[in-house]
Amino acid sequence: QKEVEQNSGPLSVPEGAIASLNCTYSDRVSQSFFWYRQYSGKSPELIMSIYSNGDKEDGRFTAQLNKASQYVSLLIRDSQPSDSATYLCAVNSGGYQKVTFGTGTKLQVIP
Amino acid sequence: GAVVSQHPSRVICKSGTSVKIECRSLDFQATTMFWYRQFPKQSLMLMATSNEGSKATYEQGVEKDKFLINHASLTLSTLTVTSAHPEDSSFYICSARESGKANYGYTFGSGTRLTVV
Repeated sequence: QKEVEQNSGPLSVPEGAIASLNCTYSDRVSQSFFWYRQYSGKSPELIMSIYSNGDKEDGRFTAQLNKASQYVSLLIRDSQPSDSATYLCAVNSGGYQKVTFGTGTKLQVIP
Repeated sequence: GAVVSQHPSRVICKSGTSVKIECRSLDFQATTMFWYRQFPKQSLMLMATSNEGSKATYEQGVEKDKFLINHASLTLSTLTVTSAHPEDSSFYICSARESGKANYGYTFGSGTRLTVV
């Protein structure tokens, strides 16, 4: 079982819709969770971090964490073509500095 | 916000030569930095963890004698690809996080696209 799993996609949504990206992780002691966006040919950019169960909102982005289910998600409201990218889920286990990345989900927002 | 500078952004070298890539944390100190490699349309692959003042920790399957890492100061880590071959052509990215901020996300450098001809 992979430590951090994501559906590779592509996930296609029409412009203005809500894009829902999901991620599961295997290490129950994981404490910090991150979502990165990576445009083709560029390095990843941190867009959201979440540490507690529940929702965290930042502009059009909402991260959701459910530690009991070992599940973290990212919702993008009012999706724009510029949101088209690969979204990487990353997990940092407690006591360790190493961050484990999922393989990423490719999002395509269709105008 | 935290800024990580990586240089060069793009390099082409001949087979058998060595290439050095620099990763600098510009506005914070980082005792630990990470080096990743990414092949086209694939995910990030952690190569090694760079530790200031001590030896780097390499992931399984990564040759430490080929990928030399030096973390001489709290703001600089270097990766040297020695005796480069075409199969080493890839996108190399470093990342860092401010020391003591365990729950903060890591910031990535802009990456170095290495082409070995």
